[in-house]
Amino acid sequence: EIVLTQSPGTLSLSPGERATLSCRASQSVSSSYLAWFQQKPGQAPRLLIYGASNRATGIPDRFSGSGSGTDFTLAISRLEPEDFAVYYCQQCGGSPWTFGQGTKVEV
Amino acid sequence: QVQLQESGPGLVKPSETLSLSCSVSGGSVSSGSYFWTWIRQPPGKKLEWIGNIYYTGNTDYNPSLRSRVTMSLDTSKTHFSLKLSSVTAADTAVYFCARDSAVIPRMLAYWGQGVLVTVSS
Repeated sequence: EIVLTQSPGTLSLSPGERATLSCRASQSVSSSYLAWFQQKPGQAPRLLIYGASNRATGIPDRFSGSGSGTDFTLAISRLEPEDFAVYYCQQCGGSPWTFGQGTKVEV
Repeated sequence: QVQLQESGPGLVKPSETLSLSCSVSGGSVSSGSYFWTWIRQPPGKKLEWIGNIYYTGNTDYNPSLRSRVTMSLDTSKTHFSLKLSSVTAADTAVYFCARDSAVIPRMLAYWGQGVLVTVSS
């Protein structure tokens, strides 16, 4: 099983600041099968980034993804009030599909 | 645009079987090369992949749950289902159904709103 470890667990920032979230895999993950999700309280996760670096439909360009192999990053260039949420990385290249434990971006 | 909606009992007794259905609108579960997926999230915890059922009926389950999980496609072609047997309090979670995108296979672009299932006597 591929274990995904996200850091930090919590990121305390202000609107307008830049957020950098890390996702490290226990073994190499094909970039094609690495995704990032945003989840707000009481809601289903929303796909932000697929294939490590591609924005999903309707996702603002302040969100960007990068990385390869075992190290992946989600960056939010300028935090908007609606960006404060929990972010999960996920791999679907190997079974079982796995998620990281999440990074909470808080004010 | 496909839409998904979970339904099922919100309370299940320990040792019984949890049964959930995911209603699909805007598409058929037996057409297209899609992954139909179940994911759960215990309160305050991270997301856990339960498994996939492919449009052919082939399944792939999380090894941690494999002995207790059954997924199926409904013959009506508008639903797919999850059964989890011998439940305990550890199975208390919000259960989501999801589907990938035709243009980005395996990427879970479509989700239901989730249903909370509590295991308690």
